[in-house]
Amino acid sequence: GESVGLHLPTLSVQEGDNSIINCAYSNSASDYFIWYKQESGKGPQFIIDIRSNMDKRQGQRVTVLLNKTVKHLSLQIAATQPGDSAVYFCAENPPGSQGNLIFGKGTKLSVKP
Amino acid sequence: DGGITQSPKYLFRKEGQNVTLSCEQNLNHDAMYWYRQDPGQGLRLIYYSQIVNDFQKGDIAEGYSVSREKKESFPLTVTSAQKNPTAFYLCATRRGFTDTQYFGPGTRLTVL
Repeated sequence: GESVGLHLPTLSVQEGDNSIINCAYSNSASDYFIWYKQESGKGPQFIIDIRSNMDKRQGQRVTVLLNKTVKHLSLQIAATQPGDSAVYFCAENPPGSQGNLIFGKGTKLSVKP
Repeated sequence: DGGITQSPKYLFRKEGQNVTLSCEQNLNHDAMYWYRQDPGQGLRLIYYSQIVNDFQKGDIAEGYSVSREKKESFPLTVTSAQKNPTAFYLCATRRGFTDTQYFGPGTRLTVL
């Protein structure tokens, strides 16, 4: 299948452990952020989003943290499962971009059974 | 069944040929996008359209063309002028400027 994980940072975790994936964004005025999951050969899948007026948002087994001071976004996955193995990337929505997102290159998460 | 469909899933092209990738959506979203994805790289924007009958070039539009005659459809043509077209192509839609962008399943284009 399509390989989208070549030369990407890799995070390897044991099944059942928590995973933390980090992302540095570029524009301090960006007001909206999204995390995506992409499995090999498939399109990116929305996981969770957060707006700039929030510091934390929780979903099912996932939490996104936003630190605007250092322009840093993180995705926490609780009790990581083999099905979580994929490439994860963040996106930011800068002002004046006509809705065009800026995407990070991604981190490959590998879950060991 | 709602969502974004892309066809074909796999496409093979001989050098010098133009090919058209299909993207259809029934989400009633105004904005549609085309991205190119290469291994180890982030998504790169080819073209986008905010409304019907209007579209704008993205960062890597050379060698590509699009049309937006219907709200539901945003086909991408990869022309012979695109020197390195082998890549994974993704279509996306978005309801508004501050909403989530959703992706289709992608088309893998290979030049033989």
